[in-house]
Amino acid sequence: GENVEQHPSTLSVQEGDSAVIKCTYSDSASNYFPWYKQELGKGPQLIIDIRSNVGEKKDQRIAVTLNKTAKHFSLHITETQPEDSAVYFCAVFSGTYKYIFGTGTRLKVLA
Amino acid sequence: DAGVTQSPTHLIKTRGQQVTLRCSPKSGHDTVSWYQQALGQGPQFIFQYYEEEERQRGNFPDRFSGHQFPNYSSELNVNALLLGDSALYLCASSFENRDLYEQYFGPGTRLTVT
Repeated sequence: GENVEQHPSTLSVQEGDSAVIKCTYSDSASNYFPWYKQELGKGPQLIIDIRSNVGEKKDQRIAVTLNKTAKHFSLHITETQPEDSAVYFCAVFSGTYKYIFGTGTRLKVLA
Repeated sequence: DAGVTQSPTHLIKTRGQQVTLRCSPKSGHDTVSWYQQALGQGPQFIFQYYEEEERQRGNFPDRFSGHQFPNYSSELNVNALLLGDSALYLCASSFENRDLYEQYFGPGTRLTVT
């Protein structure tokens, strides 16, 4: 079945530095790739997504890149701030009405 | 615009009991998915409801069942609770459109089985 690997599991960066989280998937039919941010005690919040016909998408300090040939996509956060500290999950949608989530990355932004 | 709401927020049950969790989708959404999130892990897909029917299911036993009502709200039922069912249960809603895949999550229900 579909498998999604996410790395790293934890990431610490200094405030103002960039953070990159990468996910690899196995199903070549996957066509939608969202990223979620989950803060303590809350549900996941959709922060950015990308579809299979696009290679890159940017929204202010957040960007996502997709390499369909290599089956991986990455989340890029620039100019990190303490409020970016959270757990980030990637997910993959393959058109079978279910999303497969990665195992999560705990991001700590050090002030 | 109300987002996805879930009730209750927290729940404590004893092994062997049954539990019902509730979800109201985001305004304008007609599809509801349920996820189980164990501590320190990503959400695991349980099932999805559309037009009051279950149309996709993850690797969960029949003890997990659900329902969707005409107003698109949904319930998740778990029978014969096990200690391993302790988790955060998340509801996510979306709009059925082949070009729209965005899912929005509720805050979750924290279930503790003792």
